[in-house]
Amino acid sequence: SQQGEEDPQALSIQEGENATMNCSYKTSINNLQWYRQNSGRGLVHLILIRSNEREKHSGRLRVTLDTSKKSSSLLITASRAADTASYFCATVLLQGAQKLVFGQGTRLTINP
Amino acid sequence: ETGVTQSPTHLIKTRGQQVTLRCSSQSGHNTVSWYQQALGQGPQFIFQYYREEENGRGNFPPRFSGLQFPNYSSELNVNALELDDSALYLCASSFPAGNTIYFGEGSWLTVV
Repeated sequence: SQQGEEDPQALSIQEGENATMNCSYKTSINNLQWYRQNSGRGLVHLILIRSNEREKHSGRLRVTLDTSKKSSSLLITASRAADTASYFCATVLLQGAQKLVFGQGTRLTINP
Repeated sequence: ETGVTQSPTHLIKTRGQQVTLRCSSQSGHNTVSWYQQALGQGPQFIFQYYREEENGRGNFPPRFSGLQFPNYSSELNVNALELDDSALYLCASSFPAGNTIYFGEGSWLTVV
């Protein structure tokens, strides 16, 4: 079963607007990683946030983590057409193999 | 560029056949994992290899098997292919324990 769930499942905005995607998970984690996937391609790593961190930034990306609510959010500011893709959050659990547990993803469309 | 390369990129097999997919991990990464991603779904963990030994497995039958070689490259073998095995197969590499996990571009398998 999926550990995480992304919300919304699909998001369509105008170029230049900000996009926010949310992710919830069920069990305690070591870290949470966000990925982007263009149609039919591999996953591109965006940000890793550890369980003892609350916020991280990378360029136009901002990720927050709230371990008390078991949730994370990804904010993309000043969106561009090239940001059109599916975005996945994936958790690495505290114990066991270092495997990623993915949600279903958010399909983001940026309209020019 | 993640440094993770996979081959082949696309292949078509007939039900009942066997397939081998290959992965070359990023330099120095001794942990390799394989994921299956069906259309419209998030990736599902198949198994992980660390220093040539399987150290974690997802909910996949034994006809999914793998190998990791001394140079940390890896193979995924699937026997007795079924139509539902049609998917994007993703290889990921990392250092162990809480580090960024990098993906290749994947191998598209179609079973007819």
